[in-house]
Amino acid sequence: SYELTQPPSVSVSPGQTARITCSGDALPKQYAYWYQQKPGQAPVLVIYKDSERPSGIPERFSGSSSGTTVTLTISGVQAEDEADYYCQSADSSGTYLYVFGTGTKVTVL
Amino acid sequence: EVQLVESGGGLVQPGGSLRLSCAASGFTFSSYWMSWVRQAPGKGLEWVANIKQDGSEKYYVDSVKGRFTISRDNAKNSLYLQMNSLRAEDTAVYYCARLALVGATHFDYWGQGTLVTVSS
Repeated sequence: SYELTQPPSVSVSPGQTARITCSGDALPKQYAYWYQQKPGQAPVLVIYKDSERPSGIPERFSGSSSGTTVTLTISGVQAEDEADYYCQSADSSGTYLYVFGTGTKVTVL
Repeated sequence: EVQLVESGGGLVQPGGSLRLSCAASGFTFSSYWMSWVRQAPGKGLEWVANIKQDGSEKYYVDSVKGRFTISRDNAKNSLYLQMNSLRAEDTAVYYCARLALVGATHFDYWGQGTLVTVSS
């Protein structure tokens, strides 16, 4: 089955930049989406179509794509950004099937 | 304001059944694909099933095919998940999620989830 691979954890000091990668063979042909999930809460969409930011999401969140890897960047990290982050894309086996990445825990030191 | 409120979770024995509901408000429910996504304790997100606006198309992750059925009632602005032959590995928080209007490519709104525990 198709998989999206993320690093388990990323640690960053306040004010620094956090970069979270997501790798998948079909990503050159499919958009990626990113969700933030804080403990005990539902996920929240922070990036769509690789690099677009929904209304209400701070400008410090940005996304990019290169080949089989997409990257979520958080610039000027704040304590409130500590959370789990998941990428998501369409499953390579068909439309209307979805796959999530393995998830990355961002820790603000 | 978009709101999705799940209900129906609880403790069920292996092999048992449970029906989850999701009440939607704040948007035109009948215009959107809808979905269920689950998260086992301490684990990542897993897409479970989704359903087209008029219910004519349904898709499932392989692990629930033949056991779970997604349905909707547009007159009641409600989404459902009938879960049969439940297994321990189905234990998770189940989220109701709205799929994006254009292309149904991603999940733009989520409910707070309902916990399903399968245990004897």
